[in-house]
Amino acid sequence: GESVGLHLPTLSVQEGDNSIINCAYSNSASDYFIWYKQESGKGPQFIIDIRSNMDKRQGQRVTVLLNKTVKHLSLQIAATQPGDSAVYFCAETISGGYNKLIFGAGTRLAVHP
Amino acid sequence: DAGITQSPRYKITETGRQVTLMCHQTWSHSYMFWYRQDLGHGLRLIYYSAAADITDKGEVPDGYVVSRSKTENFPLTLESATRSQTSVYFCASIPGQGTGELFFGEGSRLTVL
Repeated sequence: GESVGLHLPTLSVQEGDNSIINCAYSNSASDYFIWYKQESGKGPQFIIDIRSNMDKRQGQRVTVLLNKTVKHLSLQIAATQPGDSAVYFCAETISGGYNKLIFGAGTRLAVHP
Repeated sequence: DAGITQSPRYKITETGRQVTLMCHQTWSHSYMFWYRQDLGHGLRLIYYSAAADITDKGEVPDGYVVSRSKTENFPLTLESATRSQTSVYFCASIPGQGTGELFFGEGSRLTVL
């Protein structure tokens, strides 16, 4: 399939545990951040986004935390399931700059039973 | 519910040949994008289009040509393929400037020998 990233950093977790995937972003002017999930052989899929006027945003089983002071973003997945196994990318941009999204290299999440 | 489809899914070609990757979306989204995905680089924007007949360069446009005569189609052409263009190519779309929720196709894996 169209999977890329055989040599990505990998986070291994047990099924049912919480996962935390981290991302350091590069541009202090970025004010909009997005997490994508990419399963093997598929295109990336939007998970959650956050704007810089927020520190935290929650979705279904996922929470994104933003620390602008240290330019750090994290994605927390609660009660990790085998279906969460994928590569996760963070992306940053300045609002409205969807043609200027900067994607991170990604982190592979491996969920073990 | 076809969404966004890419063709071909796999292509092997030789250096110097012309190759066209097709992208078709059924949502009438205004914006369409072409990305390439390589190990260690994440997703990098090649070209994007804000509407029919409006296209612009992204981060890595050299060696590529795009057109958008119809809203639903956004083909990417490699006029004279090089080995460095071996990659996985993703087409994506968004309806407008609301969110960064890009909808990606399944990808086209291109190998240039």
